[in-house]
Amino acid sequence: DAMVIQNPRYQVTQFGKPVTLSCSQTLNHNVMYWYQQKSSQAPKLLFHYYDKDFNNEADTPDNFQSRRPNTSFCFLDIRSPGLGDAAMYLCAIRTGTYNEQFFGPGTRLTVL
Amino acid sequence: GQQLNQSPQSMFIQEGEDVSMNCTSSSIFNTWLWYKQDPGEGPVLLIALYKAGELTSNGRLTAQFGITRKDSFLNISASIPSDVGIYFCAGRDTSGTYKYIFGTGTRLKVLA
Repeated sequence: DAMVIQNPRYQVTQFGKPVTLSCSQTLNHNVMYWYQQKSSQAPKLLFHYYDKDFNNEADTPDNFQSRRPNTSFCFLDIRSPGLGDAAMYLCAIRTGTYNEQFFGPGTRLTVL
Repeated sequence: GQQLNQSPQSMFIQEGEDVSMNCTSSSIFNTWLWYKQDPGEGPVLLIALYKAGELTSNGRLTAQFGITRKDSFLNISASIPSDVGIYFCAGRDTSGTYKYIFGTGTRLKVLA
């Protein structure tokens, strides 16, 4: 069964038009992550949550925001997407017992 | 952000050959994870390692946690065409954060 669910799988937006990507998990793990991945590069961490404790990476642009209204759901908001924000966005969770990190299938964002 | 040195960057091999790749770090890690990523999908966790010297297998895959705690190795035996993809290592250091540092990836191509 899918542990991390991301919707939509493909998202097209226009330059400057706000967009929200969503992630949900089925097992209420405490830690959730958002990564950006471009063209076969390593995933780049944008931020992560431990419960509601939000941790922003120092180099994450202000254009990227996140919300975690409850344990199961986490959202990535891109306030004014630029062409350079076109990428795969990956959500992940960390299991508490074994420090394993599991990824969702990703959302491919296209900016026109 | 920080990245691990992963090598080789890419490799072409014949079907049936064995494959080896490795990751090295300048700092000590207490967890190593190995992932495979297919195009357009999220990384899939293959093997997780937790102790120096630990050797763990998952089918034709074997990974080891280096005894210095600064490196890890992944071997694939008798490669098949579906092994093609990008392999990433990821490590969690001893700082106590929930963040994982990723390797630069090894792109594997298998020639039938």
